[in-house]
Amino acid sequence: DIQMTQSPSSLSASVGDRVTITCRASQTIDSYLNWLQQKPGQAPKLLIHAASTVQSGVPSRFSGSGSGTEFTLTISSLQLEDFATYYCLQTYSTPEYTFGQGTKLEI
Amino acid sequence: EVQLVQSGAEGKKPGESLRISCKGSGYTFAGYWIIWVRQMPGKGLEWMGRIDPSDSYTNYSPSFQGHVTISADKSINTAYLQWSSLKASDTAMYYCARRVPGPRDYYLDYWGQGSLVTVSS
Repeated sequence: DIQMTQSPSSLSASVGDRVTITCRASQTIDSYLNWLQQKPGQAPKLLIHAASTVQSGVPSRFSGSGSGTEFTLTISSLQLEDFATYYCLQTYSTPEYTFGQGTKLEI
Repeated sequence: EVQLVQSGAEGKKPGESLRISCKGSGYTFAGYWIIWVRQMPGKGLEWMGRIDPSDSYTNYSPSFQGHVTISADKSINTAYLQWSSLKASDTAMYYCARRVPGPRDYYLDYWGQGSLVTVSS
């Protein structure tokens, strides 16, 4: 089975900062990579799929890149509402997908 | 508007059975897999399994195989997650999500609001 390793596990940043979160797969997953955002008490929300396709309605400050085994989520200029936990999810190994362990983004 | 609406919070005792539901609307329910995800208190997201509502074919994560059952009734656009004998360790929030086959990948675009299951004696 495919393991997904996110780094860092937590990150302190300030409004206006540029932040990058990394996700590494234990084997190639092509571009089968989703990024999700979860705020406390809420369901996860899809931000990016196919590694770099921004979901409709998601602000343009969010971007994704990578293919194969290494992927990044970048937030170009942090806003207050971006402080949340972020997860990567591989959807390559149908039907058993795997989440990363999450990155908590804090002020 | 696409929506997945889950059943409400449940409080159960160890050994009891439970079925929670996820009702889809605003789209052709049988056309998309439903995925179930567990989130234990203060922890991350875990893949439990999936169902294709068109034929009720299922797959489970090895971590959950044999402990939960996923089913669906496409006539009422509803998927289910059930336990025959709950344990305290089943205490968690459970989410359903819709899987979409895109041109370059698969993705989970709509999520239910979550169903909180608490198991305590």
